[in-house]
Amino acid sequence: GNSVTQMEGPVTLSEEAFLTINCTYTATGYPSLFWYVQYPGEGLQLLLKATKADDKGSNKGFEATYRKETTSFHLEKGSVQVSDSAVYFCALSPYNFNKFYFGSGTKLNVKP
Amino acid sequence: GAGVSQSPSNKVTEKGKDVELRCDPISGHTALYWYRQSLGQGLEFLIYFQGNSAPDKSGLPSDRFSAERTGGSVSTLTIQRTQQEDSAVYLCASSLSQGLYEQYFGPGTRLTVT
Repeated sequence: GNSVTQMEGPVTLSEEAFLTINCTYTATGYPSLFWYVQYPGEGLQLLLKATKADDKGSNKGFEATYRKETTSFHLEKGSVQVSDSAVYFCALSPYNFNKFYFGSGTKLNVKP
Repeated sequence: GAGVSQSPSNKVTEKGKDVELRCDPISGHTALYWYRQSLGQGLEFLIYFQGNSAPDKSGLPSDRFSAERTGGSVSTLTIQRTQQEDSAVYLCASSLSQGLYEQYFGPGTRLTVT
């Protein structure tokens, strides 16, 4: 079956710290992988995506690499800002995009 | 431009009553998705429409749940004989088409069943 597991939060970091949020997946076939972000008081929005093994998605200083051998899609950022405080969701969709599977979300708190 | 809108924003209902949730997608978006987010849980995919068709309804939690979309635009999610476990935030999203297109999410409807 298909599922996504991401690290539990909350994750609390100081500004300019390095961020990693772990995400691993189980999937049949070759899924596409996504990170979505939900800022306080706002709706979910796409942060980045990757469609095949070894692809690297990037946006707003965030990166994630599709690792087929470890079935992972960890989110990283070299230097977080207070404005990055949000809930981050890892997700996958099978090759035919007929369903989407989301992780439970990881809350990130960045302190000045 | 207008984003995805959902109504009502909040709904409190008694157990056993039927409720109808509405989603207005972004104009021109042919794909529409419904999700459920229970407290402390991730998003649970319920159903998607490409145009007015829902190819796969297996994500709906029970036969009390149904959804339809008319005119390739507005969609309604209906829950019959509501139960307390139906309490959650119901999210709608739309995208240009099925596939890798970005999904744009609405603000959600918070449903509370008492």
